[in-house]
Amino acid sequence: KAGVTQTPRYLIKTRGQQVTLSCSPISGHRSVSWYQQTPGQGLQFLFEYFSETQRNKGNFPGRFSGRQFSNSRSEMNVSTLELGDSALYLCASSVTSGGTNEQYFGPGTRLTVT
Amino acid sequence: AQRVTQPEKLLSVFKGAPVELKCNYSYSGSPELFWYVQYSRQRLQLLLRHISRESIKGFTADLNKGETSFHLKKPFAQEEDSAMYYCALRASNFGNEKLTFGTGTRLTIIP
Repeated sequence: KAGVTQTPRYLIKTRGQQVTLSCSPISGHRSVSWYQQTPGQGLQFLFEYFSETQRNKGNFPGRFSGRQFSNSRSEMNVSTLELGDSALYLCASSVTSGGTNEQYFGPGTRLTVT
Repeated sequence: AQRVTQPEKLLSVFKGAPVELKCNYSYSGSPELFWYVQYSRQRLQLLLRHISRESIKGFTADLNKGETSFHLKKPFAQEEDSAMYYCALRASNFGNEKLTFGTGTRLTIIP
């Protein structure tokens, strides 16, 4: 099975712009989660989508949004970019098996805001 | 609120020596605990989870609810164990995929 893929892998944006990141989950996985990874804050949960609905949300401002399509692919959008949004954005897909889940991570999108 | 603490940012161990990476958690309910590993230039991947009670690559971890700990152990370190290790917690209610991560421990095995 192909793993989780994320595009683009690297992105440079200017403060105030907006950006859209894409995630394709493993075939058959219906849940997609997004995480922000920074040296200072570590890995922080952004949100999770399941069957095109946001099921869980972390403590990020409304500038961070996402959506999921009927094929389970997901996009994450950040509007009005700030310097502090520079980070590695990880996507993970999962399927619940036997009462527990196993999340598979993508390689990430490295976003640099200048 | 959920919280995961990994007290050591860096840990260096000689090859062949025992390894223990510490993880403590705070959660009022019944959690699921995981260890994730990230080798150099590779993606984050699941190492093991407390529910399966298995040994992966010689690593084991036991959930101690009394001490709210989930330490990762290996009796004899190998050079290929050098990596970044993250402890993570998931609230075990259905429909919750959110993982709360610790800040990670960078393990270096000295040849």
